[in-house]
Amino acid sequence: GQNIDQPTEMTATEGAIVQINCTYQTSGFNGLFWYQQHAGEAPTFLSYNVLDGLEEKGRFSSFLSRSKGYSYLLLKELQMKDSASYLCAKMDSNYQLIWGAGTKLIIKP
Amino acid sequence: ETGVTQTPRHLVMGMTNKKSLKCEQHLGHNAMYWYKQSAKKPLELMFVYSLEERVENNSVPSRFSPECPNSSHLFLHLHTLQPEDSALYLCASSRGLADYNEQFFGPGTRLTVL
Repeated sequence: GQNIDQPTEMTATEGAIVQINCTYQTSGFNGLFWYQQHAGEAPTFLSYNVLDGLEEKGRFSSFLSRSKGYSYLLLKELQMKDSASYLCAKMDSNYQLIWGAGTKLIIKP
Repeated sequence: ETGVTQTPRHLVMGMTNKKSLKCEQHLGHNAMYWYKQSAKKPLELMFVYSLEERVENNSVPSRFSPECPNSSHLFLHLHTLQPEDSALYLCASSRGLADYNEQFFGPGTRLTVL
């Protein structure tokens, strides 16, 4: 099957920087999404990468390397409200999303 | 608010009950999805509808029955569920199926099967 791998949990300090990695199988690739999900809430869209490189959007940036099957989400100047799960999803050849299990990010003061 | 609403937000049912989950999107989208989200597991795609036609059924047990009467509404009918079906059921919508299409999610229905 298609595995999307990302760490289960990460801890970081308020004001710091954290990088959440995601790896995927390179076959049938049509883009890579990152979503944020606060506990008890709907996942919300953060970013989409289809070409190699870094996409910056405020405090959040997303990177993609298609040849390596690798992406990361970079969060800068962490705030307590960034405590959430971050979901990586690959769009496959049928334009369906294959999801990782999510990375729970814990921010400490 | 994402423009996608789901009711009820919480549901407790016995294994012999019949219940339905409702999803409504106010975004003018043409595609709608049902996902199952279990703790520490990836989102599982259950059903996909495009222009009210089902285009995906990922080997979901027949005790789950979807219905899409129009492009704004999606239902998931539940019958004779098992305790392992307890999960968060998320509805999502997108403009279409092909090419880049961000999915907008509803808040989910937390289902507990006793």
